[in-house]
Amino acid sequence: SQQGEEDPQALSIQEGENATMNCSYKTSINNLQWYRQNSGRGLVHLILIRSNEREKHSGRLRVTLDTSKKSSSLLITASRAADTASYFCATALTPFNKFYFGSGTKLNVKP
Amino acid sequence: DAGVTQSPTHLIKTRGQHVTLRCSPISGHKSVSWYQQVLGQGPQFIFQYYEKEERGRGNFPDRFSARQFPNYSSELNVNALLLGDSALYLCASSSPSGIGDEQFFGPGTRLTVL
Repeated sequence: SQQGEEDPQALSIQEGENATMNCSYKTSINNLQWYRQNSGRGLVHLILIRSNEREKHSGRLRVTLDTSKKSSSLLITASRAADTASYFCATALTPFNKFYFGSGTKLNVKP
Repeated sequence: DAGVTQSPTHLIKTRGQHVTLRCSPISGHKSVSWYQQVLGQGPQFIFQYYEKEERGRGNFPDRFSARQFPNYSSELNVNALLLGDSALYLCASSSPSGIGDEQFFGPGTRLTVL
């Protein structure tokens, strides 16, 4: 099964609201990354958080990492219609140099 | 600077045929990874190459192979195509400084097997 799993699978909110999506994983990681994908196109890297970090911010994005619970969350504040996309977490395992993606959260931001 | 480029954009093949997909990494990036993304799912890791050597392999059959050239571009080959190989194939490049570097993705090649 997948190393990372996002929750919820789908999320629908109004513009201006905050969106929170979660990611759980199974084994020890080197880092965890969040990506965005619009309509089945290429993935865009959003943010990377290392295993020794607990929180990271980038613009309207806030990511937390709890290695004891093997989970991460991505918060998008003041969402916009342009944030409508699928969001994936990806874990980089140690010592293997492989990336594992979850099945994604489909975010719909209604104008 | 150009991003990761992939060719072709779309491809239609029939069962049993083989296909070659191409990827050019960002200039200066020495590592290329390939992923398969079936509709509605997350990308699945197929291969990673660094300096022309295979660095990692996912759980895919031997029908899938890849190689990396001296200019760091890469090819993914799939033989004896099955209907289930229909997917978006993504290439990503990274500048390796350690495990789990940020990866930059290309737009993908959408393969349809009939």
